[in-house]
Amino acid sequence: ETGVTQSPTHLIKTRGQQVTLRCSSQSGHNTVSWYQQALGQGPQFIFQYYREEENGRGNFPPRFSGLQFPNYSSELNVNALELDDSALYLCASSLDIYNSPLHFGNGTRLTVT
Amino acid sequence: KNEVEQSPQNLTAQEGEFITINCSYSVGISALHWLQQHPGGGIVSLFMLSSGKKKHGRLIATINIQEKHSSLHITASHPRDSAVYICAVLNNNDMRFGAGTRLTVKP
Repeated sequence: ETGVTQSPTHLIKTRGQQVTLRCSSQSGHNTVSWYQQALGQGPQFIFQYYREEENGRGNFPPRFSGLQFPNYSSELNVNALELDDSALYLCASSLDIYNSPLHFGNGTRLTVT
Repeated sequence: KNEVEQSPQNLTAQEGEFITINCSYSVGISALHWLQQHPGGGIVSLFMLSSGKKKHGRLIATINIQEKHSSLHITASHPRDSAVYICAVLNNNDMRFGAGTRLTVKP
């Protein structure tokens, strides 16, 4: 069991730029979810992918998009970065959508200047 | 009002004390998660519950579906238990999180 890994660990971008964050899920985990955690706050659900299809979405604008690949990796893309996008971005994988424990990565800390 | 409310926000305890953290939610759920987050951001899943009670070592989690309430208990608390504990509920493929309870256990 290799765990969930995220890259990069830290990233600094300028307002208006685009960013891609990556997550490698545990082998066999069909579900991956992405979360945004602003400093001092609880995580907020961005979206979830199940078998490469978006399966649920939180209250985030379309400039937040994602992909899930057959090799259990996934991406979070954010276009037209805003200062408020500065946060810790976490991914979590699980065996299936319901009733499976979540396995979190250590997150990518994004700073938008 | 947040859909997931945790109490207390902050908790300081002496080593060895029994700790209780509470979570109330206002939506229908298919599962409730208790998570532990250490400084630096790493999150560990402690429990996933849909009914009843679960125990793992010194940690116990309970849920009352009718009352929409869950508790996380830590027996014989230790300084290494110091972390933020987060309650999260799964509602229609949408995960809603509480703001977390910051626990500090002093030696």
